[in-house]
Amino acid sequence: KNQVEQSPQSLIILEGKNCTLQCNYTVSPFSNLRWYKQDTGRGPVSLTIMTFSENTKSNGRYTATLDADTKQSSLHITASQLSDSASYICVVSATTNAGKSTFGDGTTLTVKP
Amino acid sequence: GAVVSQHPSRVICKSGTSVKIECRSLDFQATTMFWYRQFPKQSLMLMATSNEGSKATYEQGVEKDKFLINHASLTLSTLTVTSAHPEDSSFYICSARRRTGRGGSNQPQHFGDGTRLSIL
Repeated sequence: KNQVEQSPQSLIILEGKNCTLQCNYTVSPFSNLRWYKQDTGRGPVSLTIMTFSENTKSNGRYTATLDADTKQSSLHITASQLSDSASYICVVSATTNAGKSTFGDGTTLTVKP
Repeated sequence: GAVVSQHPSRVICKSGTSVKIECRSLDFQATTMFWYRQFPKQSLMLMATSNEGSKATYEQGVEKDKFLINHASLTLSTLTVTSAHPEDSSFYICSARRRTGRGGSNQPQHFGDGTRLSIL
């Protein structure tokens, strides 16, 4: 069964600090992995998308890594800001099954002043 | 670019009412649109996949007669919650994927801002 597990479930950090969110998956055959940011009451917004051959991708203060061998990904946020408070969702798609995506349960990040 | 508009953003109505939610891709053609349901503090649950010009594919446990999906054009899909009851209250989110070209299924999904449905 395709699964995506994220950790930690929630995280509280002080403004300006860095943090790393984890995503482990068992989706196969792997197509791509995406990280989304979802603000409360809003739809998810794409941060990064990585395919099998990519092991790192940056979007401003967000850097995602992918280890396709161990089926792990991380999202690193540097110099956190209050506006980074949100849920971060890891989504993995397979090449089969019409590219259906498997969603992680998300990590809720709270950045405090 | 890649904007998905979802309307309405919030609906409050009486039990037994049918509610229609629209999902539009504003600046691209979307052959595939997805409808999700999200409960508080949980991730998105896929309800159905909608392909333009064909019947929607529903996930196991989702009643197709309860949640009617129409994907009439490459830029519009609608979800109608028929005879809504309080247990249907939830946050409904649509997403759209660009017409397949370079990238295929690697095309990202672009999400609408969701519809908060409250049934009294």
